[in-house]
Parts: sequence; C-alpha cells; structure tokens
Amino acid sequence: GAVVSQHPSRVICKSGTSVKIECRSLDFQATTMFWYRQFPKQSLMLMATSNEGSKATYEQGVEKDKFLINHASLTLSTLTVTSAHPEDSSFYICSASPQPLGVGGDSPLHFGNGTRLTVT
Amino acid sequence: KNEVEQSPQNLTAQEGEFITINCSYSVGISALHWLQQHPGGGIVSLFMLSSGKKKHGRLIATINIQEKHSSLHITASHPRDSAVYICAVTGGGNKLTFGTGTQLKVEL
Repeated sequence: GAVVSQHPSRVICKSGTSVKIECRSLDFQATTMFWYRQFPKQSLMLMATSNEGSKATYEQGVEKDKFLINHASLTLSTLTVTSAHPEDSSFYICSASPQPLGVGGDSPLHFGNGTRLTVT
Repeated sequence: KNEVEQSPQNLTAQEGEFITINCSYSVGISALHWLQQHPGGGIVSLFMLSSGKKKHGRLIATINIQEKHSSLHITASHPRDSAVYICAVTGGGNKLTFGTGTQLKVEL
C-alpha cells in the first residue's frame, strides 16, 4: 500500500533555532500534501495545504513566515519551523493522497508517522 | 460547537465486547473518514465513506447522510484495538475537519 515517510520522528532544539521536517510519498505522486499539528490531548488541526509547484495555503491563525512550507517535487514537502519557541513544541504530522480527497477510492488518506518537536 | 462531534470521549471495554463509536457532523461533506491513532502518534486510515456501510475484518463503519451521523463498530474487541479513534470529514476545498477523538482501552 501507499506509504508516507516523515522525518525526523523526534527532534529537540533550542529556542531560536529552525527545524525542518520532511514528508515524502514513497510510491505515489502527491500534488497536494497536508500539514497538521496536534497538542497533547487535543484534536489534529490543519495548518496548511502544500501544493506542488506553488505557494502553500495556510489556515487562519497560522503564520506563514514562521512555518515555511516547500513542495518542490511531487513526492516531497518540507515544513520548516523558523525561530522556534517553546510554545511551538507539538506533534506535527503530514498526510498525502494520490487523488483528491473524497473522490473515489477506499481509504486514500496516508499519514506520516509524525514528528514530535520539543523546543527548550 | 465543533463541526465534528464524537462520542464517547473515553471508552473502556472488556476483551470480546462489541464497541460503537459515534460521530455527528454539522456541515456538508463529500466524504467521512475514520482514523486510528496509536500511542506513538502514528495515524492509520481505516475507512473513507460517502454512503452506506463498509467492513474490514472486525471493523464496520456506517454513515447516514440525511442524519449527518456515522458509527464505527468493533466486533470481538481485543487489547490491540486500544487506540484513539478519530472521525474526520472532507468538506469544500479538500480540507479535513477532525473530531476530538475517542480514547478506547480494551482490557483483558
């Protein structure tokens, strides 16, 4: 089945540094990937939609200059948390689909295993 | 009020019990997804539904579009089914809206 690889799985960084998270679709092309954030005991929240070859679409309240998204190829999207602060500590997870959501297929959603970011 | 509501929030069951998790939504959707999130955080897509009923092994998912309601059933539950089960809907623009999840614990 389709696999999405996310790296790293866990990262600890100092306040003020930047952290890059990669999301790769291993056996399918994804024109669109999604980035989510999940705080402890809370639901997943969509941060942004990553579009290959064009600018990402950010959800309301998500700072595009702080969370830089690059989707340079059909199999790779990256999320960079710039000038990280302790309040950015969270679980970040990406998803991708080989086809538009809600259009045919059985379970077209494929998630990475997530990245647990801790900013000290 | 959240656009996607799940119940119960927490559920403890004994091995072998039949389990039902409910999801209600208040917006128009093109599809509804049931997801399973393990303690480490990884998420697995269980079902995508736009109508009717689907079955995979011991899992059954149903949706009633008119009532804007879906249920996830687990038959013959097992401790390995312990996880957070999340309902999510696809609305306009291919975006997912998530429910708050149901924490399931199945005990021996």
